[in-house]
Amino acid sequence: GQNIDQPTEMTATEGAIVQINCTYQTSGFNGLFWYQQHAGEAPTFLSYNVLDGLEEKGRFSSFLSRSKGYSYLLLKELQMKDSASYLCAVVNRGSTLGRLYFGRGTQLTVWP
Amino acid sequence: DAMVIQNPRYQVTQFGKPVTLSCSQTLNHNVMYWYQQKSSQAPKLLFHYYDKDFNNEADTPDNFQSRRPNTSFCFLDIRSPGLGDAAMYLCATSRDRGAGETQYFGPGTRLLVL
Repeated sequence: GQNIDQPTEMTATEGAIVQINCTYQTSGFNGLFWYQQHAGEAPTFLSYNVLDGLEEKGRFSSFLSRSKGYSYLLLKELQMKDSASYLCAVVNRGSTLGRLYFGRGTQLTVWP
Repeated sequence: DAMVIQNPRYQVTQFGKPVTLSCSQTLNHNVMYWYQQKSSQAPKLLFHYYDKDFNNEADTPDNFQSRRPNTSFCFLDIRSPGLGDAAMYLCATSRDRGAGETQYFGPGTRLLVL
């Protein structure tokens, strides 16, 4: 089976840096997605990591360690609009569909 | 802008009364998915279409059906909604199947069952 774990809630202040962790146990891991979901809205794609290391996209960076079954999403210079749920999702090798296995999401609240 | 559209955004139905949720896409993607997401839970895949080929998840109740009359549209039919079916229903698309294909989500339809 698949087991994806991430913290339920986090809080931070504007301008700060926050790291949202995701650990996974899955058979035949291929890659890991991060999505952002504002309340009542659709998840939107943030990043996809296949190789070990850090990938940076503006204020958001995503890190993957395949050997440790671990990823994190790093948000810099936090803004109020970053308050949202952040979902990690893994996809396995050999999956014809490319089925996503989602974690429950981390609800991030950014305070002024 | 190319996008995934879901209507309605909010749907109220009565216990046992059939309801249909709709999804359309302007991305011309081959694959369309339906997910169910309950409060504070991960999205759960119900089924997907690869072109016209329907693929049901093993644990999706028979109460849930889907239709894809053409590339752009996909419908979710709930034949006899129960109180436990109240949830957010998310439609998503991807260009193709396979690991690494990004899924693009619609805004969701929140279903309330009275």
